[in-house]
Amino acid sequence: DAGVIQSPRHEVTEMGQEVTLRCKPISGHNSLFWYRQTMMRGLELLIYFNNNVPIDDSGMPEDRFSAKMPNASFSTLKIQPSEPRDSAVYFCASTSQGYSNQPQHFGDGTRLSIL
Amino acid sequence: AQSVTQLGSHVSVSEGALVLLRCNYSSSVPPYLFWYVQYPNQGLQLLLKYTTGATLVKGINGFEAEFKKSETSFHLTKPSAHMSDAAEYFCAVSDPYNNNDMRFGAGTRLTVKP
Repeated sequence: DAGVIQSPRHEVTEMGQEVTLRCKPISGHNSLFWYRQTMMRGLELLIYFNNNVPIDDSGMPEDRFSAKMPNASFSTLKIQPSEPRDSAVYFCASTSQGYSNQPQHFGDGTRLSIL
Repeated sequence: AQSVTQLGSHVSVSEGALVLLRCNYSSSVPPYLFWYVQYPNQGLQLLLKYTTGATLVKGINGFEAEFKKSETSFHLTKPSAHMSDAAEYFCAVSDPYNNNDMRFGAGTRLTVKP
């Protein structure tokens, strides 16, 4: 079975550039989560969607960050303009909303380095 | 609101020794509890979960955890550590009425010495 697929796996770009991270959730899952992981702050929830609708974006650090889910099989997290402090590993996870005994399934992450 | 506290950001054991990773939770409703493992350059993978029923839960790779309501704990154990167990481990608590509300602990890095 295909798990959560994230692309790219690694991204290195210069400060000020636009960065787009992509996620394909597990087929049939209707909740999708974006997390950021750093040594200093650990795993932080940025935003999550239910049925393609953003439900809670209170974790998005600032207006430079935006996320979309145009359909059930695709989501993007965009940073514009990027800054060195955005360097982190970004994870996407999905689950079946409404089935609370189900865990979240994580992708392998995108390691983002902003120079 | 729910929360999880993992005691000890780093744990080191010798190969063959007992592994004990501690997790305490806070929840206003009966919680659902999870342990995840993260290997280098990978995402989090589910080790085991407790929802209802038997309080001793067995997971993959020989790990198990026991839900103790009186102690608000869900500690992870393995009788004999293997080198391949070296990873970061995360405890998480979920609201049984809303699985979108999952809170993760800060993680415990397990080192296994030969």
